[in-house]
Amino acid sequence: GAGVSQSPSNKVTEKGKDVELRCDPISGHTALYWYRQRLGQGLEFLIYFQGNSAPDKSGLPSDRFSAERTGESVSTLTIQRTQQEDSAVYLCASKGGGRYNSPLHFGNGTRLTVT
Amino acid sequence: GNSVTQMEGPVTLSEEAFLTINCTYTATGYPSLFWYVQYPGEGLQLLLKATKADDKGSNKGFEATYRKETTSFHLEKGSVQVSDSAVYFCALSVQYGGSQGNLIFGKGTKLSVKP
Repeated sequence: GAGVSQSPSNKVTEKGKDVELRCDPISGHTALYWYRQRLGQGLEFLIYFQGNSAPDKSGLPSDRFSAERTGESVSTLTIQRTQQEDSAVYLCASKGGGRYNSPLHFGNGTRLTVT
Repeated sequence: GNSVTQMEGPVTLSEEAFLTINCTYTATGYPSLFWYVQYPGEGLQLLLKATKADDKGSNKGFEATYRKETTSFHLEKGSVQVSDSAVYFCALSVQYGGSQGNLIFGKGTKLSVKP
């Protein structure tokens, strides 16, 4: 597609439920990143994929968070047993070019609200 | 470790005023430096970048110079417009382990320009 697509754009869930967030990167982009942006805060790195593997998952805040990527394309971020502190905008970005200083292309994010 | 510190907002200016948003960084190795912008209701997008010391990135009238001696990458614009109202994020990227590198962000500075 023309850009990075994320779905849903908004998600309201009850505390304790599981949620899945989806990211469709730009076609051909091998690197894919997930970030979290809490209200009034900066971007917090969660996980990075190179192809289908995740060389850096150091930002995942707890074992309730997991992510996978298949076909070097779509990625899903899963949050189990959601807590109110999980409320945030979850941003996905992809990068091509093969160079570490290539720019990231961001989706519009999924706004997650845990009630 | 690697980190980015940028001036806290919000910043409110009148149209045609001069803008400076300060950004300093700490990094191992030789980072590339970026400014990203998030307009209301839109995703983050790259504004400008610089990949080595003394490089100047520029776009849409904005400029930033990579200063290794002061570890800074301050964003400037000589005459802001109402349409520049947005949140601005300073970021750095350092290659590691042969990967495409992570992007580490500052907390963001919200700019409001009044007519």
